[in-house]
Amino acid sequence: GGIITQTPKFLIGQEGQKLTLKCQQNFNHDTMYWYRQDSGKGLRLIYYSITENDLQKGDLSEGYDASREKKSSFSLTVTSAQKNEMAVFLCASSTGDSDYTFGSGTRLLVI
Amino acid sequence: QQKVQQSPESLIVPEGGMASLNCTFSDRNSQYFWWYRQHSGEGPKALMSIFSNGDKKEGRFTAHLNKASLHVSLHIKDSQPSDSALYFCAVNSNMGYKLTFGTGTSLLVDP
Repeated sequence: GGIITQTPKFLIGQEGQKLTLKCQQNFNHDTMYWYRQDSGKGLRLIYYSITENDLQKGDLSEGYDASREKKSSFSLTVTSAQKNEMAVFLCASSTGDSDYTFGSGTRLLVI
Repeated sequence: QQKVQQSPESLIVPEGGMASLNCTFSDRNSQYFWWYRQHSGEGPKALMSIFSNGDKKEGRFTAHLNKASLHVSLHIKDSQPSDSALYFCAVNSNMGYKLTFGTGTSLLVDP
């Protein structure tokens, strides 16, 4: 079986800082996603990528950049962390219309 | 833009009882419907999918889809404490790869 790994598990940043979250999968899935999870708001799509070097904006892309340099990895950058921001960032992968496999998340706190 | 709403926000059922979760969506072109379950500290995991109108049963879990009413539901029979989790409805938009997730229902099974 495969695995999808997110690093780091916890991230504490300062206001205005640029922060990078990483995601690796060994399923050989073509499509990868970044979602943000806030309490009471479900999962909101930030960026997705249907193949290496492809990037597609989701509904919440403002304030974020993404990079898919290899099929197995997908990075997300918070371009300027907002004070008191607290959220879980979830990475997922899939083969097109199949179910998603999620990582366990990166928990972000900005002080 | 696809809107996916879930109700109730939270639900408490006794062990052995029936839990019923509801989800409404806005895009009549939606094709694929998923239920995901997320235990605390983990990423969501796909529970089951339903693509055709009617019922689909997998063990203690039954999903029901009514595309005309823009409604999908999940019923959990003989609920167990291990079923306590956050449940998300996810709907495939008419743009293919993107799943739109609902806001979630928090289920607590009281032993």
